[in-house]
Amino acid sequence: DTGVSQDPRHKITKRGQNVTFRCDPISEHNRLYWYRQTLGQGPEFLTYFQNEAQLEKSRLLSDRFSAERPKGSFSTLEIQRTEQGDSAMYLCASSLGWFGQAGTGLFFGSGTQLSVL
Amino acid sequence: DQQVKQNSPSLSVQEGRISILNCDYTNSMFDYFLWYKKYPAEGPTFLISISSIKDKNEDGRFTVFLNKSAKHLSLHIVPSQPGDSAVYFCAAPSSNTGKLIFGQGTTLQVKP
Repeated sequence: DTGVSQDPRHKITKRGQNVTFRCDPISEHNRLYWYRQTLGQGPEFLTYFQNEAQLEKSRLLSDRFSAERPKGSFSTLEIQRTEQGDSAMYLCASSLGWFGQAGTGLFFGSGTQLSVL
Repeated sequence: DQQVKQNSPSLSVQEGRISILNCDYTNSMFDYFLWYKKYPAEGPTFLISISSIKDKNEDGRFTVFLNKSAKHLSLHIVPSQPGDSAVYFCAAPSSNTGKLIFGQGTTLQVKP
């Protein structure tokens, strides 16, 4: 499978706990994005990496959220002291440079569904 | 500030007929638009795109139309099939980073 892979698919946690999600992008893709999607809404941008550099973060990414892409390959998204409002699907996407040149879009993984009890 | 809007939360059509999904945007700087399809518990899948230098792009049963003066785009699916039942999102990149701004989505149901 050469698509974007996310782990775990589902995570149930108690309020106040820390959680970490992993994303493995398509191997040659240098751009990696994290999005969050809640019911009835479209995906909302969280953060963007080009290789290992985190170049943009959304206002949605509070101090409790941190993302890394240490070697420019896989990425992790950590949420500290989870709150019930963090319950959502967390999506990872990747692309090789500007996708408009290829006439394609971002390639998304299947997401991690987080439930905070 | 919702820069990309899909004002119809749902649409139901009969198999074989045309499905038309609509999307409006407010940012005149957007120059590339995409449609994604999403099944439950899966990530969005890219469907079709259009550059602002065109007003139409076709790929099989899917055609996207862009009206820049009205800041409006639409996705036509002809003929509609039950397997097309999903949530459809329109999106636009807000910068050269490729960061996508998504609409709220329209749930399409195609009845056999």
